[in-house]
Amino acid sequence: DAKTTQPTSMDCAEGRAANLPCNHSTISGNEYVYWYRQIHSQGPQYIIHGLKNNETNEMASLIITEDRKSSTLILPHATLRDTAVYYCIVRVETGANNLFFGTGTRLTVIP
Amino acid sequence: DGGITQSPKYLFRKEGQNVTLSCEQNLNHDAMYWYRQDPGQGLRLIYYSQIVNDFQKGDIAEGYSVSREKKESFPLTVTSAQKNPTAFYLCASSTYGAGNQPQHFGDGTRLSIL
Repeated sequence: DAKTTQPTSMDCAEGRAANLPCNHSTISGNEYVYWYRQIHSQGPQYIIHGLKNNETNEMASLIITEDRKSSTLILPHATLRDTAVYYCIVRVETGANNLFFGTGTRLTVIP
Repeated sequence: DGGITQSPKYLFRKEGQNVTLSCEQNLNHDAMYWYRQDPGQGLRLIYYSQIVNDFQKGDIAEGYSVSREKKESFPLTVTSAQKNPTAFYLCASSTYGAGNQPQHFGDGTRLSIL
């Protein structure tokens, strides 16, 4: 199973872009990269996912390197409500499509 | 609104007691999942179901049981055999078979021992 490595914690000033890195050097060619976030005492919230092309939606952008061994989640204008734990996940290839959650990056947005 | 509803939000269990956590979804998803989260940790898979009347064990199924009698519902029973049940329990659902579709989560049930 492909695993991911993320920094334990990061800070970001309010209004600035938050760039969250993730390493997934053992990713397979047909595995997607997913990003979720979890605010304290709530369920994880899906943010974005991609295979090899960069992706953007209303919440964030996902930049995947050409060799697919790492990616970066970008929150373009961080707000205090973006303070959360962010999980980078490579989808495990099983019949259930279950996700392997590591310990994530705790992002703190500072006023 | 479409989504996943977990109840209750908080639950207390006495020694030797079985308790059941509810999970209902109106997203018309085929697959449903139960995860456990301990403080400061990631999620671990307990059970999952790809279709009605079928389910499989995840990584930490011992001491838990599930049923899937309806597409919308996937209740989890924490039995007395689970010796360390205090945790945050999360239910999720997704479209089955479409490998790149995300899972959607409920807001969880926090279980504690009295």
